[in-house]
Amino acid sequence: GAVVSQHPSWVICKSGTSVKIECRSLDFQATTMFWYRQFPKQSLMLMATSNEGSKATYEQGVEKDKFLINHASLTLSTLTVTSAHPEDSSFYICSAMRGTDYQETQYFGPGTRLLVL
Amino acid sequence: GESVGLHLPTLSVQEGDNSIINCAYSNSASDYFIWYKQESGKGPQFIIDIRSNMDKRQGQRVTVLLNKTVKHLSLQIAATQPGDSAVYFCAEISGTYKYIFGTGTRLKVLA
Repeated sequence: GAVVSQHPSWVICKSGTSVKIECRSLDFQATTMFWYRQFPKQSLMLMATSNEGSKATYEQGVEKDKFLINHASLTLSTLTVTSAHPEDSSFYICSAMRGTDYQETQYFGPGTRLLVL
Repeated sequence: GESVGLHLPTLSVQEGDNSIINCAYSNSASDYFIWYKQESGKGPQFIIDIRSNMDKRQGQRVTVLLNKTVKHLSLQIAATQPGDSAVYFCAEISGTYKYIFGTGTRLKVLA
């Protein structure tokens, strides 16, 4: 299978601090990874597309200086929420693209729940 | 990809019965489709996929049907079990990275 992990799974932090979330593809290499945010009982909201070795592409309305993305290797992308505030509290999910002969498929990580106090 | 929808319809099914979850997709150019399962507090899990040159694909206890004429996708789960309780959503894909996610359907399995 295609396994994607995230770390940490839970994080609680004080307002004003920065939080880094890691996304790893464990058994495949991923040139492209995605970061999503999900509010309770709502669908996934794409934040940005992370490409290995290049700058991330952010969706409209997502502050790139607020949500720093680094995709330094083919198996690791990180999302850093800088100067976190309570409104940043959410469920953050990453996904990694795995290619087959005919298609690239997104496989999701287990998510990271962030609570900012 | 885009994500849409604020309402989650619910399908309640008796344990052991078959479940059918539906998805209407929007882009006739979409050529690849995936069903994901998301349990509470977890990330979405890949269940099954189908390409547009097929109209049916079977997995273990799951079957995906594709009707391109009416742009409709369905997921059938045979002999539904309590562990199948989750939100299920479809994704339509055009090109490599253009993912559009469906609103999702909550499946509740009744004992």
